[in-house]
Amino acid sequence: NAGVTQTPKFRILKIGQSMTLQCTQDMNHNYMYWYRQDPGMGLKLIYYSVGAGITDKGEVPNGYNVSRSTTEDFPLRLELAAPSQTSVYFCASSYSKRVNEKLFFGSGTQLSVL
Amino acid sequence: GENVEQHPSTLSVQEGDSAVIKCTYSDSASNYFPWYKQELGKRPQLIIDIRSNVGEKKDQRIAVTLNKTAKHFSLHITETQPEDSAVYFCAARNNFNKFYFGSGTKLNVKP
Repeated sequence: NAGVTQTPKFRILKIGQSMTLQCTQDMNHNYMYWYRQDPGMGLKLIYYSVGAGITDKGEVPNGYNVSRSTTEDFPLRLELAAPSQTSVYFCASSYSKRVNEKLFFGSGTQLSVL
Repeated sequence: GENVEQHPSTLSVQEGDSAVIKCTYSDSASNYFPWYKQELGKRPQLIIDIRSNVGEKKDQRIAVTLNKTAKHFSLHITETQPEDSAVYFCAARNNFNKFYFGSGTKLNVKP
């Protein structure tokens, strides 16, 4: 198992550009999450999904969009990138609420918006 | 939504001493509380977790305690070693399976 895989690892964007952060997991997990981690800070939930076709906002959803067309993939879309979106982005997944509830993280994407 | 507060933000201990990190949460329906260790430039790694129906859990030098009534939980690391130096995060999971994280504690273990 590769676990949770994120691409790219690093990216520099200009203000106003758009991009998609990719996340895929091969553990057949139902739940998937996107977090951002600003320097020296904790993780803030952007969006999450309980399964294919179902997504919901987290604490800081503004400026982002997500989709979940398959169990495996949960891409995060940034439209009109702003300097405030400079951060490290982590994708995560978990199996269910009752069993195997542990949250597993991808290796992160470091994004700079200049 | 859930609000998780974590203290202290930095903690410096001598090798061999114990370290304690404390967290509080606001949503009484939260039912699962994991702790993560994050080394510089790496992803958070789960080190221990506890469910709401358990008061204490130990794994070698690491233990977690939970007080549901007071809505707080703590991480205890005994016999600290330099390799324990990292940032530690607590988290609380609510009824909708959303995980909310504390702001982190930077632990420095001095040799």
